[in-house]
Amino acid sequence: DTEVTQTPKHLVMGMTNKKSLKCEQHMGHRAMYWYKQKAKKPPELMFVYSYEKLSINESVPSRFSPECPNSSLLNLHLHALQPEDSALYLCASSQDDATYEQYFGPGTRLTVT
Amino acid sequence: DAKTTQPTSMDCAEGRAANLPCNHSTISGNEYVYWYRQIHSQGPQYIIHGLKNNETNEMASLIITEDRKSSTLILPHATLRDTAVYYCIVRIYTNAGKSTFGDGTTLTVKP
Repeated sequence: DTEVTQTPKHLVMGMTNKKSLKCEQHMGHRAMYWYKQKAKKPPELMFVYSYEKLSINESVPSRFSPECPNSSLLNLHLHALQPEDSALYLCASSQDDATYEQYFGPGTRLTVT
Repeated sequence: DAKTTQPTSMDCAEGRAANLPCNHSTISGNEYVYWYRQIHSQGPQYIIHGLKNNETNEMASLIITEDRKSSTLILPHATLRDTAVYYCIVRIYTNAGKSTFGDGTTLTVKP
């Protein structure tokens, strides 16, 4: 199984809502990533987890809170987002954080109203 | 990580080879060249990577010049499904996940 799954596919939330994005992989990968992608722009790295520990936070605002409950799961908790946070949120995994062959999920299309 | 330069867009006829160039003139000796593509509304897909030797897999070939300052991704027989944004990324192998996607090349394969 070389698939990374993400739920939900689409999410619309108000600025006062709390929601979570979920990512799952069963490839035994020990590194997992969150990226943000705005329309017609390349993906931007947000967070890296290595062996379930946060290893990189690319100065992401605290309204985005990542969590890695186990080696197969990655969550992104969202709270008090702004309309400019509307984007495609991509999850990826790789064998470890030195390996750059990353497998990406299809993404969650987030709209903040 | 070294910066890369790619053409904004390219066209290719279906069935012909698509040759996508990438300039990475400031690449250092321990940096690999990686290629990804992103088909519309999907997550990026890893294609291939290399250090200094040419590489080939079932998807594509990667040709790296001897001075390593540029490379070319070759899709030998492009199909309509190869229409995508292609990203060339240069990265140290042990760079702990940090890397930057550039703006990429939008390849349009035409019938």
